[in-house]
Amino acid sequence: RKEVEQDPGPFNVPEGATVAFNCTYSNSASQSFFWYRQDCRKEPKLLMSVYSSGNEDGRFTAQLNRASQYISLLIRDSKLSDSATYLCVVNDHAGGTSYGKLTFGQGTILTVHP
Amino acid sequence: EADIYQTPRYLVIGTGKKITLECSQTMGHDKMYWYQQDPGMELHLIHYSYGVNSTEKGDLSSESTVSRIRTEHFPLTLESARPSHTSQYLCASSDLFADTQYFGPGTRLTVL
Repeated sequence: RKEVEQDPGPFNVPEGATVAFNCTYSNSASQSFFWYRQDCRKEPKLLMSVYSSGNEDGRFTAQLNRASQYISLLIRDSKLSDSATYLCVVNDHAGGTSYGKLTFGQGTILTVHP
Repeated sequence: EADIYQTPRYLVIGTGKKITLECSQTMGHDKMYWYQQDPGMELHLIHYSYGVNSTEKGDLSSESTVSRIRTEHFPLTLESARPSHTSQYLCASSDLFADTQYFGPGTRLTVL
């Protein structure tokens, strides 16, 4: 089983649609969670961190469910510029060290069309 | 925008050549990382460092080596490039007490 699993998609949605991505992780000791965005042939860029209480940044809402070990990202009012691969990222808090490494999911491809 | 730089951005080289991919950051970050990513595939950690003179191998076995003599600099070296090394190499850094990583633009390596 992969440490971080995402539905690879692709998700093809019209402009203005609401789309949701889910991600599951296997390490129950993980402490930090993120969504990154990666455009084609570019580097990943931090979209938002994910907190237990849930957090929102404009049209983007992230949720964390520790009990079920899943993370979600909701995008409202999709724009053409939202087309990208969305990476679910989890900190690997191994062995009690505070220096965990990040594990990246394979990404979910989103295409927003006119 | 993160201040992390990689050179060269693109490199096409013949089999057997020695290459060094450069990565520098001006944010004073202690932690630095190298990832390998094939097109359409996930990132795989190949090396990381928690500070000067600290280097560790990542989750994906790699024939490359790294060094960390200065905080801001984390070069990756391949002693003898092979076609199987063709990939994109991404460098990242983060603050010592934070997990958020900031990525450089990557080096796209092609070995003929």
